[in-house]
This record gives sequence, C-alpha cells and structure tokens, in this order.
Amino acid sequence: AQKVTQAQTEISVVEKEDVTLDCVYETRDTTYYLFWYKQPPSGELVFLIRRNSFDEQNEISGRYSWNFQKSTSSFNFTITASQVVDSAVYFCALLGGFKTIFGAGTRLFVKA
Amino acid sequence: DAGVIQSPRHEVTEMGQEVTLRCKPISGHDYLFWYRQTMMRGLELLIYFNNNVPIDDSGMPEDRFSAKMPNASFSTLKIQPSEPRDSAVYFCASSWGSAGVSYNEQFFGPGTRLTVL
Repeated sequence: AQKVTQAQTEISVVEKEDVTLDCVYETRDTTYYLFWYKQPPSGELVFLIRRNSFDEQNEISGRYSWNFQKSTSSFNFTITASQVVDSAVYFCALLGGFKTIFGAGTRLFVKA
Repeated sequence: DAGVIQSPRHEVTEMGQEVTLRCKPISGHDYLFWYRQTMMRGLELLIYFNNNVPIDDSGMPEDRFSAKMPNASFSTLKIQPSEPRDSAVYFCASSWGSAGVSYNEQFFGPGTRLTVL
C-alpha cells in the first residue's frame, strides 16, 4: 500500500523565519516519483517540484529547497526567509505504479 | 498559453438534481485526471484518462458518478442524482506521458466548488 504522511497540519511563522514542511512516504515500488504542490488561497494547485526515486540529490530553487532521503522515506521542503505570499496549503504527493497519492497537506501561515 | 479550464467555477444545486462539470485540458496533454477535495478526505483521485480512454475509475465513489472524454480537448464529470455529501471542490488536471502512466507533474484547473443542498 502507498501512503503519504504530512504530520504537520498547520504551521504558523513570522515573516523571514525559515520553515520546514515534513513529508514521509510509504511504498513498495522501487521506482517512484515524489512531488510537492502549493495550493494558495485562490484554490488552484501549483506544481513545485518532482523527484524520482533514483535521484537523491537535494535541490534548491530560490528560497525553496528540498531534502530527499530514501533511508528515512522522507521528502522535506524548506522555505528560507518566508514571506506572506508563501501562505498556502502545501501537498506532498507520491506516484508509484499508476496513481498519485496526495498527503493531507500542511497549511502554512506566514505573518507579517 | 491557457491552462486547464474548468466550468462552472461554482455550482449550487438541490439534492436529486443532475450536475455536470466540465474540463478543457492543456493542448497536447494526453492525460486527464478528475479529483475531489474535501476537508474530511483530502484530495482523492476519482478517474483518469489517457488518450481519451478511461484507465482507472476505481476512485469513483458510486454509480451516481460518471465521466466521459469524447475528445482530446473536453471532459465531463456527471453526478446524477446529486446528494449533499457530494459537496466538494472538484479539480481537473492534465499531464503528458508514455502509454498507460504519466510520471510528470500535473497541471490543475481552478476547480469547481459544488454545493448540494
């Protein structure tokens, strides 16, 4: 069975703080893909990153960075120097086999 | 380029009525997905199509739900008859990939917020 766990339901930070969103996954597949999506208050889900199971290199894109560790089945997402515009729900997702399974999401509040 | 287009954006209907949600995927994408989002169940995949053919409809909650994709640029999700528990945001997403499965990111539409009274 495949599963994605985002244990943090809500996180509240003050602007310019760094924040890490946790994602733990379960799968028996050896080939799989991991994703992060952002859902701002407007409601539309926006793709942020995709990682395949054979690429454990961490990635940085501006203020965003991702840490993929197969040993702990985690794919964590860090926002450095958070901004109010980062306020959104963030979803981690797993694609193994034929279906994408989404985590429950973490709601991030960034206060000015 | 236009993204995924969904209509209507909001739908309010009474229990027992038929509801039809519409989606136009991104041109060139050969995968189309229908999701439902609720507070209780989160994001659930209902059905997905590849080249207009339904591949997996195991997420469709019951026979009251049906989806079609008559051509590459249009899909519908129909609920008949609707019930209050169908109230949710329904998202359409599209992607591209090789036959049978897409390993690429999905592009989501703005969603249709359905309220069944």
